Amino acid sequence: DQQVKQNSPSLSVQEGRISILNCDYTNSMFDYFLWYKKYPAEGPTFLISISSIKDKNEDGRFTVFLNKSAKHLSLHIVPSQPGDSAVYFCAASPQSTSYGKLTFGQGTILTVHP
Amino acid sequence: DVKVTQSSRYLVKRTGEKVFLECVQDMDHENMFWYRQDPGLGLRLIYFSYDVKMKEKGDIPEGYSVSREKKERFSLILESASTNQTSMYLCASSNSGQGSEKLFFGSGTQLSVL
Repeated sequence: DQQVKQNSPSLSVQEGRISILNCDYTNSMFDYFLWYKKYPAEGPTFLISISSIKDKNEDGRFTVFLNKSAKHLSLHIVPSQPGDSAVYFCAASPQSTSYGKLTFGQGTILTVHP
Repeated sequence: DVKVTQSSRYLVKRTGEKVFLECVQDMDHENMFWYRQDPGLGLRLIYFSYDVKMKEKGDIPEGYSVSREKKERFSLILESASTNQTSMYLCASSNSGQGSEKLFFGSGTQLSVL
């Protein structure tokens, strides 16, 4: 039972254009959402997060949008750069935990072409 | 620079062997986690620990056990390795309380069970 789903295994984008990565969740108890980025041979690193009390959070080129009614979030990267090529994981957590226990999606491989 | 260190980058073991994966963090974090990453399945939580000698099962604990005798060290044990435990294993740590969802990951151990 995949509670966090990233339905696009891969995405290819031209440098300078927008990358949009999508994520859907099914568990209504989730109220904190994160994106992690993973390069080959490295562990995932935290990128950006959003609480359910917001619908948008921005950090430089990265913006995360949350649509609670649709149980959907997306990560926008503008402008995309070749160094953004990596695997992106969406993750979710319920408010009840303070232990950082996350449920991850399957990941989306982003390739940004020069 | 904060660090989560996993003892081995690659391991090859035989079916039935007892396998130890070691993880050390230098950030004085309360929480530590073991995930496995498989293609198409993303990261799945095996076990986590929120304090020394405390442990809780994650989503896929079968065939694994853990040990946390010291705050900085969290070990994953495969009691009798099987081929379906061939995977990338990722250790992570985080602070307790607010911000506990921001996990810091090690580089991973690629385990092959033959």
